[in-house]
Amino acid sequence: KNEVEQSPQNLTAQEGEFITINCSYSVGISALHWLQQHPGGGIVSLFMLSSGKKKHGRLIATINIQEKHSSLHITASHPRDSAVYICAVTPASGGGADGLTFGKGTHLIIQP
Amino acid sequence: EPEVTQTPSHQVTQMGQEVILRCVPISNHLYFYWYRQILGQKVEFLVSFYNNEISEKSEIFDDQFSVERPDGSNFTLKIRSTKLEDSAMYFCARRRANEQFFGPGTRLTVL
Repeated sequence: KNEVEQSPQNLTAQEGEFITINCSYSVGISALHWLQQHPGGGIVSLFMLSSGKKKHGRLIATINIQEKHSSLHITASHPRDSAVYICAVTPASGGGADGLTFGKGTHLIIQP
Repeated sequence: EPEVTQTPSHQVTQMGQEVILRCVPISNHLYFYWYRQILGQKVEFLVSFYNNEISEKSEIFDDQFSVERPDGSNFTLKIRSTKLEDSAMYFCARRRANEQFFGPGTRLTVL
């Protein structure tokens, strides 16, 4: 059974700080996803990774397949980045149709 | 542009009643998923649906749950006899190029 662990569970930082959220998983995967969930509940896909690194604006996601670990970084954080950030994985054995396995999320608050 | 819409946004029902949650994909795709998130907990996979058939289901998806695509477009999740513990947000998602796009969710409250 694949477990997805995130750290920290909660993070409060000041505007402008560099933010790092970590994710580790226990079994083989075909892809790792970083998602953002706002207080209203909606879930938005930020990144999907199977190797290396991706960048979108102030967000950077990296993955190390050998270490079964991924990080999400936010540069020059802003109060509007406040949200829950969720790591999820697609199991390697899924054949493309398996649902995602989710971490518990990291609740990020950026104070002005 | 939203990939997926869901109706209703909020459903309140009495325990033991049947509910149908609807998901409408904007474009015609083959892979769909239902997830749920109990308040304060992580998102959990319920079922995946490929080419009009169930592809995989989790332990949560017992005989009380069913999914259909009755008119080839809308994708429904039915809970036959709701229990208090079915209260949760239910998300529909569709897959495009291995990435999943989520609907806004339906908040189900069972009284």
